[in-house]
Amino acid sequence: QQPVQSPQAVILREGEDAVINCSSSKALYSVHWYRQKHGEAPVFLMILLKGGEQKGHEKISASFNEKKQQSSLYLTASQLSYSGTYFCGTERKRGSQGNLIFGKGTKLSVKP
Amino acid sequence: GAVVSQHPSWVICKSGTSVKIECRSLDFQATTMFWYRQFPKQSLMLMATSNEGSKATYEQGVEKDKFLINHASLTLSTLTVTSAHPEDSSFYICSAQRTSDPDTQYFGPGTRLTVL
Repeated sequence: QQPVQSPQAVILREGEDAVINCSSSKALYSVHWYRQKHGEAPVFLMILLKGGEQKGHEKISASFNEKKQQSSLYLTASQLSYSGTYFCGTERKRGSQGNLIFGKGTKLSVKP
Repeated sequence: GAVVSQHPSWVICKSGTSVKIECRSLDFQATTMFWYRQFPKQSLMLMATSNEGSKATYEQGVEKDKFLINHASLTLSTLTVTSAHPEDSSFYICSAQRTSDPDTQYFGPGTRLTVL
């Protein structure tokens, strides 16, 4: 039931774009995106609920395709601070106590 | 924004001892808190769900007698690793779900446990 993230790792030059995908074999209630720096706890980026929702904050946005049971995280004009491991967490239904099942993560490295 | 703290941030202990980790929601009430474990370069794995005033719900494969969870108030949950062994060494992270906004979880900074 663990969502599958792709790619596993990506290296970018500052200013380049990246897309990280998160796919589930089960129907989802919500998808959460987190970024984790080495040795630190994950930091919440955004949550997408059912209904083809799209969200964005500055140059990071995400979409949720409920039919495809997939979410994508878009990083535009990447900055050095974007480096880290990105995890998607999926929630199958509201009321499932809200616990998240995390993907294995996508390691993003942004170089100058 | 919502703040969740964990204490201690790191701990080194001898094999056979017990270690208690606290998770506090500082500026909101959290009926539900979650405990995760993360091995190096791996995903977070949910260990248990902690509900205030009731017994915790453990994920399959997690020993409830080894990982004792107590959620005594709406702002505090504790995880006690009993009779710790080197294989228990890991990064333990809690998250709190705001009672008024159950769609979002707020993570604590994590506790690095090293068992010698």
